[in-house]
Amino acid sequence: RKEVEQDPGPFNVPEGATVAFNCTYSNSASQSFFWYRQDCRKEPKLLMSVYSSGNEDGRFTAQLNRASQYISLLIRDSKLSDSATYLCVVIRYGNNRLAFGKGNQVVVIP
Amino acid sequence: EADIYQTPRYLVIGTGKKITLECSQTMGHDKMYWYQQDPGMELHLIHYSYGVNSTEKGDLSSESTVSRIRTEHFPLTLESARPSHTSQYLCASSEIQDNYGYTFGSGTRLTVV
Repeated sequence: RKEVEQDPGPFNVPEGATVAFNCTYSNSASQSFFWYRQDCRKEPKLLMSVYSSGNEDGRFTAQLNRASQYISLLIRDSKLSDSATYLCVVIRYGNNRLAFGKGNQVVVIP
Repeated sequence: EADIYQTPRYLVIGTGKKITLECSQTMGHDKMYWYQQDPGMELHLIHYSYGVNSTEKGDLSSESTVSRIRTEHFPLTLESARPSHTSQYLCASSEIQDNYGYTFGSGTRLTVV
């Protein structure tokens, strides 16, 4: 089983709609969680950290569910510029290994 | 502006050639990493370093080697390139505290013919 699992999609979203997707992780010792955004043929860029209490950054909301070992990302009022692949990233405490999911591809449609 | 720089951006090279991919960062980060990513696939860690003279192999077996003689510089070398090495190579760095996330370079897209 992969350490980080994501449904690659694509998630086709009408402009202005809300889209949400999850990422599951297999190692309960995982301690730090992030969402990265990667545009086509570009490097990943940090979108937001994910905190246990959940956190929001503008139209983006991230949640962590330790009991079920998943994190989620919700995008409200989708913009065309939100079209990208969203990578779930998990860091295991202690060995500092960073594990990436394959990404959720989001396509915002006018 | 970028704080972590990778060169070259694109490289096409013949089989058997020796190549070095450069990565430099100006943030004073102790931790640096090399990832390999094929199109549409996840990133795989191939090497990492926690400081000068410290290098470790990552999760994905790689025929490349790395060195860390200076904090800001983490080059990756392939002694004899093969077509199977064709991929995108991404360098990243981070602070000691993992919860600040990673900063990635723009990547080197390598094609071995």
